Amino acid sequence: DTAVSQTPKYLVTQMGNDKSIKCEQNLGHDTMYWYKQDSKKFLKIMFSYNNKELIINETVPNRFSPKSPDKAHLNLHINSLELGDSAVYFCASSQGTGLAGGQETQYFGPGTRLLVL
Amino acid sequence: DAKTTQPPSMDCAEGRAANLPCNHSTISGNEYVYWYRQIHSQGPQYIIHGLKNNETNEMASLIITEDRKSSTLILPHATLRDTAVYYCIVGYDYKLSFGAGTTVTVRA
Repeated sequence: DTAVSQTPKYLVTQMGNDKSIKCEQNLGHDTMYWYKQDSKKFLKIMFSYNNKELIINETVPNRFSPKSPDKAHLNLHINSLELGDSAVYFCASSQGTGLAGGQETQYFGPGTRLLVL
Repeated sequence: DAKTTQPPSMDCAEGRAANLPCNHSTISGNEYVYWYRQIHSQGPQYIIHGLKNNETNEMASLIITEDRKSSTLILPHATLRDTAVYYCIVGYDYKLSFGAGTTVTVRA
């Protein structure tokens, strides 16, 4: 009964490859997010989707392309992987966007640990 | 561009209250104060949030000063499972900006 799940949990790949990380939430939420946590443990938002539409894109390189086939899924595709992409990527979801001044609790997945060699 | 300042680490005895301070002197009038925690190798977990008034839930209490420039998260009876990095975040729920947080170690 995992609320927010991510696959794979670990991903080791070579520089230049293309890879995808999948995220699914069974909470019935409308909004999903991708965060990146670097080696210094700082957690930064990358994207936010509401009802399959992009609402936040935090100056992420074009090599990163989120895709939301439905509001329960938000996948992250990364092209031409670079060494600096090594990090832990967290997916999260919330009921709404909070853009109207609401107070939305975000629920995080367990993370995907990406290592680019 | 962190808007909050937290001590890098603190220890707490099991069964005692843990008081985690946070300074946010540049908070604007409609920004909320959120607290999340991250237990080792897990995703962040929501704890509590507030705007002006003190708040309490089953996990913790949040005390916000009258000028809103600082707050304190209180874990009333710390357990070993509360060992984690605690993040104080100021802003809006759709765009959480995590800082370095406070590493809290609960000792038996």
